[in-house]
Amino acid sequence: KAGVTQTPRYLIKTRGQQVTLSCSPISGHRSVSWYQQTPGQGLQFLFEYFSETQRNKGNFPGRFSGRQFSNSRSEMNVSTLELGDSALYLCASSLGSGLGYEQYFGPGTRLTVT
Amino acid sequence: GQQVMQIPQYQHVQEGEDFTTYCNSSTTLSNIQWYKQRPGGHPVFLIQLVKSGEVKKQKRLTFQFGEAKKNSSLHITATQTTDVGTYFCAGLTGGGNKLTFGTGTQLKVEL
Repeated sequence: KAGVTQTPRYLIKTRGQQVTLSCSPISGHRSVSWYQQTPGQGLQFLFEYFSETQRNKGNFPGRFSGRQFSNSRSEMNVSTLELGDSALYLCASSLGSGLGYEQYFGPGTRLTVT
Repeated sequence: GQQVMQIPQYQHVQEGEDFTTYCNSSTTLSNIQWYKQRPGGHPVFLIQLVKSGEVKKQKRLTFQFGEAKKNSSLHITATQTTDVGTYFCAGLTGGGNKLTFGTGTQLKVEL
């Protein structure tokens, strides 16, 4: 089975712009979660989608949003980018709904905001 | 809010030495997951512990979940260079709605 894929792998944006990241889960997985990883804050949970519905949400501002499509693919959007949004954005898929299942991570999208 | 701390932050060992990382939560956890992230890579699931006092082994790795379900540990026996990476614990709370990752322990293994 193919693993979790994320596109693009690298992205450079300017402050104030918006960005959309894409994640394709492992075939058969219906849950997709998004995480932000930075050297200072570590790995932080953004949100989780299951069957096109946001099930859980972390403590991030409303500039961070996401959605999931009927084929379980997910997108994450960050509007009005700030320098502090520079990070590795990881998505993970799992078989069941909720966060109590093994998370399979993708390679991540490295976002740099200048 | 809930915090999950890991110690130590860094550990440098000689190949063949043992290694332990400890994970402590400020609140009781539903379960705890452990992940390994190689340099430049993404986190890879190692194991999940659910029961109070649970101990699980995977070859040279031993995982424990505390009796109070607020702490956990990962012990590696006789480290090898392939063990290099950062080990994260992740605690589940809030009825399964909140997954908080620990600060991570970076392991370096020297020949």
